[in-house]
Amino acid sequence: QSVLTQPPSASGTPGQRVTISCSGSSSNIGTNTVNWYQHLPGTAPKLLIYGNNQRPSGVPDRFSGSKSGTSASLAISGLQSEDEADYYCASWDDSLHGVFGGGTKLTVL
Amino acid sequence: QLQLQESGPGLVKPSETLSLTCSVSGASMISTTYYWGWIRQPPGKGLEWIGSIYYTGSTYYNPSLRSRITMSADTSKKKFTLNVRSVTAADTAVYYCARQVLLLLDGYNHLDYWGQGTLVMVSS
Repeated sequence: QSVLTQPPSASGTPGQRVTISCSGSSSNIGTNTVNWYQHLPGTAPKLLIYGNNQRPSGVPDRFSGSKSGTSASLAISGLQSEDEADYYCASWDDSLHGVFGGGTKLTVL
Repeated sequence: QLQLQESGPGLVKPSETLSLTCSVSGASMISTTYYWGWIRQPPGKGLEWIGSIYYTGSTYYNPSLRSRITMSADTSKKKFTLNVRSVTAADTAVYYCARQVLLLLDGYNHLDYWGQGTLVMVSS
């Protein structure tokens, strides 16, 4: 059972906009920033969004993040086939440890 | 360019200690910005944060694992290690090392560089 809650799956067609939600609590998302990672099987997870809505260099602006209260969202616009992957939200808990969501498997139809 | 590489035995017997090392290249481990962390992914499951260590040896651990884990760092060798005691099949996972930005007052807590991961199986 993961500390942060994500839907297990999401899907969309090429060109569509999809969003993935992440729900936490006042001790993690409510008081700390949210990060998003993209994970392709057999590879290292890749940082996609940090600090709720900031993109590392090289991450396309099709990816965006937002946070409100104890929830966060990742939005992917102009969906592409190479976006098919697992997506994880993560944050920090006030009891001084990291927390992850259970992951969302994104399928591009 | 920073690179991280995990190493260690791929097979550990139940009740024994799992020991992994992460080698850091391309940057110093000594920084006021970064911690050095471990994350794992059991087969078919999601990512789990294990813990992070500062270059001074200060640590943060996952409460669910705290009683069984120890992390250490050797900045001169640019390596940090993870020990998990009394392992069971539930500790079978791909283990990743990563660099963690932990600037909590500024609100940052992300993992920006990751190793490729190493699979550790717990089996007799």
